[in-house]
Amino acid sequence: DVKVTQSSRYLVKRTGEKVFLECVQDMDHENMFWYRQDPGLGLRLIYFSYDVKMKEKGDIPEGYSVSREKKERFSLILESASTNQTSMYLCASSSHPPGGLGVGNEKLFFGSGTQLSVL
Amino acid sequence: GQQVMQIPQYQHVQEGEDFTTYCNSSTTLSNIQWYKQRPGGHPVFLIQLVKSGEVKKQKRLTFQFGEAKKNSSLHITATQTTDVGTYFCAGLMDSNYQLIWGAGTKLIIKP
Repeated sequence: DVKVTQSSRYLVKRTGEKVFLECVQDMDHENMFWYRQDPGLGLRLIYFSYDVKMKEKGDIPEGYSVSREKKERFSLILESASTNQTSMYLCASSSHPPGGLGVGNEKLFFGSGTQLSVL
Repeated sequence: GQQVMQIPQYQHVQEGEDFTTYCNSSTTLSNIQWYKQRPGGHPVFLIQLVKSGEVKKQKRLTFQFGEAKKNSSLHITATQTTDVGTYFCAGLMDSNYQLIWGAGTKLIIKP
């Protein structure tokens, strides 16, 4: 089974701090994603990556950056944390990008999530 | 922007009753995925529908994809306590292959 591991389950940070959220997957997946999940809003895509050193902005990239130096690791960075970034952050990976084959290989495997509180 | 509307937001049922959640898109979808998130857990993939009018079953769960590929539904027959959680649809937009998530429907079993 694919395992997607997020470094922390809970984090508490102060406004203005730089925050690193780490995600590692063990199935050699090309594609990795960072989402945030807020009640009533579903999942919103922050950034994604289809290859090492490649990154693309999602729907809500403002205030975030990412790093993908190795295939298995995708990091989300909050340059200067703000209270409106308090949320559940979910990392995901897939073997094929959306629309790639249309045969179910685009399914996402999620990590357990990091609940970030910015005070 | 492109949206996938999912209703209802919550559904309270007695154990043994049926449950249905609906997703509607303003634009044609290439395919639609369904995920389940247990309380305190993370979304887990259930199924993907690709063809117009497709119907798939997984035990008590029935998934449908509309003829126009703009809507989808998940129906659970005779709910059990193990069905509790939030069900999300995620539609792949035909135009740009972007995955758009519904807001989820939370299934609550009344005691």
